[in-house]
Amino acid sequence: ETGVTQTPRHLVMGMTNKKSLKCEQHLGHNAMYWYKQSAKKPLELMFVYSLEERVENNSVPSRFSPECPNSSHLFLHLHTLQPEDSALYLCASSLKGGGTDTQYFGPGTRLTVL
Amino acid sequence: GENVEQHPSTLSVQEGDSAVIKCTYSDSASNYFPWYKQELGKRPQLIIDIRSNVGEKKDQRIAVTLNKTAKHFSLHITETQPEDSAVYFCAASKDSWGKLQFGAGTQVVVTP
Repeated sequence: ETGVTQTPRHLVMGMTNKKSLKCEQHLGHNAMYWYKQSAKKPLELMFVYSLEERVENNSVPSRFSPECPNSSHLFLHLHTLQPEDSALYLCASSLKGGGTDTQYFGPGTRLTVL
Repeated sequence: GENVEQHPSTLSVQEGDSAVIKCTYSDSASNYFPWYKQELGKRPQLIIDIRSNVGEKKDQRIAVTLNKTAKHFSLHITETQPEDSAVYFCAASKDSWGKLQFGAGTQVVVTP
């Protein structure tokens, strides 16, 4: 359960705030992912990083800005969010980043935008 | 792109009965089909997966079947127990950058 960690676990922010979500993986993986999980909807892939390079940006609004300084850490910088951005944000990692890699998820950050 | 449909959205079963969740996918090139279980307030965790060169895979009370021709795959849980209560997600992908396409999930409730 400690392979992929996320902080904070809960975050409440106003629409004008700037905040960052942090993800850390201790599995020696080379690929990391951000997902958005909203109620009654499929998990939505937001970003994929492989060896610190962004390889996928799934048409995510620019108010979400990812950063991957090394293969163990992934950040999601948030600014001027909208109430509809309230959701559970999940980080995941996998060994190589290929489509058939098993992805291991963190516990998520529950984000509420007021 | 890939589209994954999952049914039913909710499933209530009596303890000891079997549960079946079905998913269909649209991209015939998809070749990897994992199933994740997410208990309330917890992270999704892989419970079983199947690759396109295999038609069926079993792990204790859990089995997954794949029909490539029809482009559908199913999760079977036998002898259900209360701890099987969770949301189950199917997903599909092919050999591109980690692009798992998830279904919308099935809420399974096992009643004693």
